[in-house]
Amino acid sequence: KAGVTQTPRYLIKTRGQQVTLSCSPISGHRSVSWYQQTPGQGLQFLFEYFSETQRNKGNFPGRFSGRQFSNSRSEMNVSTLELGDSALYLCASSVGTATDTQYFGPGTRLTVL
Amino acid sequence: GQQLNQSPQSMFIQEGEDVSMNCTSSSIFNTWLWYKQDPGEGPVLLIALYKAGELTSNGRLTAQFGITRKDSFLNISASIPSDVGIYFCAGQRTGANNLFFGTGTRLTVIP
Repeated sequence: KAGVTQTPRYLIKTRGQQVTLSCSPISGHRSVSWYQQTPGQGLQFLFEYFSETQRNKGNFPGRFSGRQFSNSRSEMNVSTLELGDSALYLCASSVGTATDTQYFGPGTRLTVL
Repeated sequence: GQQLNQSPQSMFIQEGEDVSMNCTSSSIFNTWLWYKQDPGEGPVLLIALYKAGELTSNGRLTAQFGITRKDSFLNISASIPSDVGIYFCAGQRTGANNLFFGTGTRLTVIP
């Protein structure tokens, strides 16, 4: 079974631009969660999508948004990029039931200049 | 967001030694998880714990879910060079798929 895939793996943007990251979950998984990892704040939950609906949301500004498609693939978008948005963005997929195991992708390394 | 307190922050050990790290929280979790992250990769699940007091092993790894549900520890026995990486604990509450992560323990194994 293929694992979680994320594209692109690396991205460089400048302040004020917007960016879209993509995540393809493990086949059969309906839940996709996004996390931001930075040296200062560690791993922090952004949001979770299940069956094309946002089911849970972390404490991030509205510049961070996401969506999920009918095939469970998910995208996250960050608008008006700030230097502090430089981070490793990880997505994790799971079947979608309560407390099931989350499997992480390799992440997208975003650098904002 | 909430981060769990994980200690130690880093460890340097000789190959063959045992390792112990722990994670504490001010609030209760219903599931405790331990992940390992290698450079440039996403976290990989090592052990999942679902019941207070539960002790679970996965090869040389053993983890326990604390009785108070506010802590967990991970032991690695007879460390080998490929154990090098950053270990994260994570807590999860029932009905919510978001994980709260610890601050990480960076493990270095000296051959």
